[in-house]
Amino acid sequence: KAGVTQTPRYLIKTRGQQVTLSCSPISGHRSVSWYQQTPGQGLQFLFEYFSETQRNKGNFPGRFSGRQFSNSRSEMNVSTLELGDSALYLCASSYRTETYEQYFGPGTRLTVT
Amino acid sequence: GESVGLHLPTLSVQEGDNSIINCAYSNSASDYFIWYKQESGKGPQFIIDIRSNMDKRQGQRVTVLLNKTVKHLSLQIAATQPGDSAVYFCAERGNYGQNFVFGPGTRLSVLP
Repeated sequence: KAGVTQTPRYLIKTRGQQVTLSCSPISGHRSVSWYQQTPGQGLQFLFEYFSETQRNKGNFPGRFSGRQFSNSRSEMNVSTLELGDSALYLCASSYRTETYEQYFGPGTRLTVT
Repeated sequence: GESVGLHLPTLSVQEGDNSIINCAYSNSASDYFIWYKQESGKGPQFIIDIRSNMDKRQGQRVTVLLNKTVKHLSLQIAATQPGDSAVYFCAERGNYGQNFVFGPGTRLSVLP
C-alpha cells in the first residue's frame, strides 16, 4: 500500500506570496492532519480534517488554511507569506480520528525569502 | 532535507547497549501517548503507543513506560543498532477532538 505523499517536496517563495501544499493520504484513510516543523518550535499542530470537515485547529493565524476533498486528499494554503513561515510542513493520515496511529508523509520544505 | 532542530538534547550510546529516552509531558488529562522516530529527510515514523490506563507496553526491541504521577514517559530501546540513530519525539493527545502535542525531541546517536 502506498504511503502518504506530499507535493511538492521543496518550494521557494518570496514574502507576500501565497502557497498551496498538497497531501494524498494512504488509501482508505479519511483523517488528515497537518503539522509545521521548525528548529525553534519543533512540531506544531496546524489542523485536522475528517470527511471534508475541519475537526480541530491549532494556534496559527488565519493566513493558514486547509481543506479536504471527497477523496480524502487535502491541501493547505498559506497566504501573505512571512519569513517565519519557512519550515517543513508535514501531513499525516490515519484511518479515523479515534485512531492515534498516524502515518506521516516526507514533508514539503518551504523556504520563504 | 534536514527537518529537526539544531539544539536538541543528544543521547550517545554504544552499539549493542540499551538506550533510554525520556520525555516530560504537560497535560495530566492526556490519555494517549506515542513515540515517533524521525530520520533525516523523512517524516516521523510511529514506534509505539500507550494509553494512560497502562504503565508499560512492549514492542519489538522497544518498551514504553508511563509514570502519570510525575507526568513522565520513557522509551527504552534494547540492543541499540546504527539504524536506530534518529530524533525521537514523544507526543500526547487528550480525548476526542484534542490535537497532538509533541515534545522537543531527543537525538539518538549510536556509536560503533
